[in-house]
Amino acid sequence: VLTQSPATLSLSPGERATLSCRASQSVSTYLAWYQQKPGQAPRLLIYDTSNRGTGIPARFSGSGSGTDFTLSISSLEPEDFGVYYCQQRNNWPLTFGGGTKVEIK
Amino acid sequence: EVQLLESGGGLVQPGESLRLSCTASGFTFNNFAMTWVRQAPGQGLEWVSTISDSGGGGSTYYADSVKGRFTISRDNSKNTLYLQMNSLRAEDTAIYYCAKRGGYHDEWGQGTLVTVSS
Repeated sequence: VLTQSPATLSLSPGERATLSCRASQSVSTYLAWYQQKPGQAPRLLIYDTSNRGTGIPARFSGSGSGTDFTLSISSLEPEDFGVYYCQQRNNWPLTFGGGTKVEIK
Repeated sequence: EVQLLESGGGLVQPGESLRLSCTASGFTFNNFAMTWVRQAPGQGLEWVSTISDSGGGGSTYYADSVKGRFTISRDNSKNTLYLQMNSLRAEDTAIYYCAKRGGYHDEWGQGTLVTVSS
């Protein structure tokens, strides 16, 4: 089970965002992060803890290992608001966290 | 440019069947595992099923919630991924996305809506 916190993060553009994902058992470093905006498919941001997906800006970074992981957005841009999901690929079944909504304060 | 185009969704009654398709372009389809992920209305993402690439022998994996009812398959000659869904239930109502790769998913289609209701 992947547990994301907080459920909602209210921030202003330019602020730093820190999102957490905690696994009920170790997933090694096999954790990914996705961003989803209303009416759109998810987009891969980070894979295997800290590798940015194709075309993902450097303001997105990931860290962690084992059971505790963090997605950081160094300075929020208006287009960064949406729902963020973590996902593990360490073992079957693949699982997603419940999501963190990043909204404009 | 990678494109994944899902089709086949619609409104069905409980107990009925539906087959979803996902046509891929812009990459060498048979070299990649493929996955179905669904999202119920207003809810989060749920992994449904994955099929390995040709090198993986076409191995298949399923979420417990769909095991025995859904079947994932692929036709590499047509660059198409399928999801055969039988014995559909109300709780299967969701947008179904196909996604490239098996572990993490770097490309996604726009999804097709499946509604199961009497």
